[in-house]
Amino acid sequence: GAVVSQHPSWVICKSGTSVKIECRSLDFQATTMFWYRQFPKQSLMLMATSNEGSKATYEQGVEKDKFLINHASLTLSTLTVTSAHPEDSSFYICSARVSGIGKQYFGPGTRLTVT
Amino acid sequence: DAKTTQPNSMESNEEEPVHLPCNHSTISGTDYIHWYRQLPSQGPEYVIHGLTSNVNNRMASLAIAEDRKSSTLILHRATLRDAAVYYCILDNAGNMLTFGGGTRLMVKP
Repeated sequence: GAVVSQHPSWVICKSGTSVKIECRSLDFQATTMFWYRQFPKQSLMLMATSNEGSKATYEQGVEKDKFLINHASLTLSTLTVTSAHPEDSSFYICSARVSGIGKQYFGPGTRLTVT
Repeated sequence: DAKTTQPNSMESNEEEPVHLPCNHSTISGTDYIHWYRQLPSQGPEYVIHGLTSNVNNRMASLAIAEDRKSSTLILHRATLRDAAVYYCILDNAGNMLTFGGGTRLMVKP
């Protein structure tokens, strides 16, 4: 089956620094990728939709200048958390789908801890 | 987006069938019903999806009510590895999935 990977799987950074998270579709081309955030004991919340070659679409309340998304190819999307603060500590999950109605393939998630 | 309603949690005994309900009374005619599950500290995993007819795959079965206002995910023999949060999601435009609270399934040995 299709596989989506994320790197790193976990990261600890200091407040004020930036962190980049990669999301790759390993054996298929993803025209659309999605970034979610999940706080402990809560459900996934969509942050943004990333389309290859175009600007990401951010959900209401998500700061586009803080969470930079780049979808440079059909197999790679990156999320950069800029000037991270402790409240940005969360589980970040990406997903990808080829097109149309069908399953989404989720990455294993990246746990970010900002100290 | 049409919403779904699921019980917060359910318990099951190992090797017994589990029926996880989902209500979606405002479903539109073109909404697909998707089920995903999330094991602890992992990304969600696709389980099954359907439109009108019941569906079976190696993981589970999906029973869809005739009026499509509810559906049931059936795990035929629960194992300890099936302990997870199960999400019932409606997908129309083929774009993002909106996750609700899901049902936390606990499996007792």
